[in-house]
Amino acid sequence: EPEVTQTPSHQVTQMGQEVILRCVPISNHLYFYWYRQILGQKVEFLVSFYNNEISEKSEIFDDQFSVERPDGSNFTLKIRSTKLEDSAMYFCASSALGGSEQFFGPGTRLTVL
Amino acid sequence: GIQVEQSPPDLILQEGANSTLRCNFSDSVNNLQWFHQNPWGQLINLFYIPSGTKQNGRLSATTVATERYSLLYISSSQTTDSGVYFCAVELNTGGFKTIFGAGTRLFVKA
Repeated sequence: EPEVTQTPSHQVTQMGQEVILRCVPISNHLYFYWYRQILGQKVEFLVSFYNNEISEKSEIFDDQFSVERPDGSNFTLKIRSTKLEDSAMYFCASSALGGSEQFFGPGTRLTVL
Repeated sequence: GIQVEQSPPDLILQEGANSTLRCNFSDSVNNLQWFHQNPWGQLINLFYIPSGTKQNGRLSATTVATERYSLLYISSSQTTDSGVYFCAVELNTGGFKTIFGAGTRLFVKA
């Protein structure tokens, strides 16, 4: 069964460093999403992406964040200068169409020291 | 913005018991999904249910979009049902934005 994959599963970085989180969405899906979940809290929407453009973004998704689909399979989230409060689980998701069922990857746990 | 409220926040069940989890939302939505977050943190799809009723084994869900709520029924609960149950609503804002509720934390005792 097709699934969303994410790498790495755990990333540890120093405050101020740049990180890139990677996702491979389900192959025939057209919409891609990033979410974060701070430990013990709810899942928060960051951004949706379609046709190589940001479709929608939340207030959390400020200039420190960027997304890219560098090739036909990968979808990346870049955090330019990490802060302690960026420590969280980051989930990637994809859906076949806008408004259709979303499928989530296993997440990348980001720890900022 | 839209509010998504889940109740109860915490629930402890004896194995074999039934339960109903509720999700209320404050505005019209494009669709609604239920997820189970297992103890390893994975988000498992349970239902994609913009409206109507669906069943999958011991689980079923009903969404009444006109009244802005959804219910998740768990029957004959098992210890493996433990975890956090989230509802998530998707808004069509020109783009697509998804708002999660705070979740119901379920613990099923053997």
